[in-house]
Amino acid sequence: GNSVTQMEGPVTLSEEAFLTINCTYTATGYPSLFWYVQYPGEGLQLLLKATKADDKGSNKGFEATYRKETTSFHLEKGSVQVSDSAVYFCALSDNYGGSQGNLIFGKGTKLSVKP
Amino acid sequence: NAGVTQTPKFRVLKTGQSMTLLCAQDMNHEYMYWYRQDPGMGLRLIHYSVGEGTTAKGEVPDGYNVSRLKKQNFLLGLESAAPSQTSVYFCASSRPKVGPGGLNEQFFGPGTRLTVL
Repeated sequence: GNSVTQMEGPVTLSEEAFLTINCTYTATGYPSLFWYVQYPGEGLQLLLKATKADDKGSNKGFEATYRKETTSFHLEKGSVQVSDSAVYFCALSDNYGGSQGNLIFGKGTKLSVKP
Repeated sequence: NAGVTQTPKFRVLKTGQSMTLLCAQDMNHEYMYWYRQDPGMGLRLIHYSVGEGTTAKGEVPDGYNVSRLKKQNFLLGLESAAPSQTSVYFCASSRPKVGPGGLNEQFFGPGTRLTVL
C-alpha cells in the first residue's frame, strides 16, 4: 500500500541554519505530494505541494522537489527562523482515476529553532 | 470566513460515556474528514464523507460513528468512550478531487483534545 516515511525528530537548529527534513514515499502510479505544517496548538496548514515529477513547490522560503527516481520530496529552507518552530508533515494523495484522493501522512517531524 | 471550526476544544470523559464532536465549514466543500493525531503516529483517517448524506470508513474507524446530514457539518460520535480514544481529533474539508491529476488540498480545523479516563 501507499506510505510516507519521514526522518524522525526532534530536530533542533540555531536561527539562520540550513534545514532539511527528509521524506520518501511508496505509491502506485504518480501521487501528488504535500508538506503541511502544524504550529503549536493549531491545526495543519498546507505549506507547499507538487503534482508531478520534477515539480518544485515553494512557500515562505521553504522548497521541496518531487523526485520520482528516488521517490523523495525533501523539505529545505536556507535560513530558518524561530517562528519556523513547528511540526512538519509530509503527505501524498493518490492520483489514479478511481481514487478519492485521500491523504496519507508521515508521522511528522518536530522542528525547534533556537535564537 | 471562519474556515473549519470544531467544538468543543477540550473534553474529559469517563470510560463508557458518549459524546459528539462537531465540525463545521463555511467554504462549501464537498469532502470532509475526521482524523486522530497521536504521538509518534502522525494523522490517521477515521471516517470521511464525499457529500451530504454519505460517509465512508478510513484507516481507524472502530469505536466511532459519523453523520453528514448537512453539507457544512460533519459529526463524529463516540458511543462508549475508551482510554484508547484519548487523542487530538482534527476535522478537515476539501473540494472534490477532479480527474486523475486533481489535487486534494485539505483545510484543517484547530482540533479537539479529548481525554478518556
